[in-house]
Amino acid sequence: GAVVSQHPSRVICKSGTSVKIECRSLDFQATTMFWYRQFPKQSLMLMATSNEGSKATYEQGVEKDKFLINHASLTLSTLTVTSAHPEDSSFYICSARVQGQEKAFFGQGTRLTVV
Amino acid sequence: EDQVTQSPEALRLQEGESSSLNCSYTVSGLRGLFWYRQDPGKGPEFLFTLYSAGEEKEKERLKATLTKKESFLHITAPKPEDSATYLCAVHVDGGSQGNLIFGKGTKLSVKP
Repeated sequence: GAVVSQHPSRVICKSGTSVKIECRSLDFQATTMFWYRQFPKQSLMLMATSNEGSKATYEQGVEKDKFLINHASLTLSTLTVTSAHPEDSSFYICSARVQGQEKAFFGQGTRLTVV
Repeated sequence: EDQVTQSPEALRLQEGESSSLNCSYTVSGLRGLFWYRQDPGKGPEFLFTLYSAGEEKEKERLKATLTKKESFLHITAPKPEDSATYLCAVHVDGGSQGNLIFGKGTKLSVKP
């Protein structure tokens, strides 16, 4: 199946700093990628839809100025958590869908810990 | 409101003890139902897609079925390596392209 690579897998940062997470589609082009957040024992919650060459679409309650998304190419989307706080600590996962297929492929996830 | 509910929340089985996981959904228009496997600290791994009631898919010890209200993931003679959290997700009419609504998952533990 298609491969989605997410980096880094783990990151620890200090409060107030910014962290960038990368999501790459390795063997296909993805015009749309999705960013999810997952808390322990909870569902994956969609944060935003990343569209290549245009602004991301954010879900209700997600601060667009805090979670900056850039989708500059057909194989790369980035999520930057700005001015991170401990409550931003979570598991962030990206996904992409191969055009013409219904199923989505997921990255390995990034465990963010803000101290 | 579109909803996906998985049960049980956790399931402990002995190796070889077959069982089923349930995914109930209430959605306005189902475009597809997906099963994923998620290991701790990892992203979900695709297992199956089901599109219409009556459809069944199989892969090794796993078999997924679909009705108009729910889906089952049957596990036959499970092995310890089947231990993981199994996630159900639906793609609905009107949802953003590729967006999935996930259940909370069933954490399966298979003891040797």
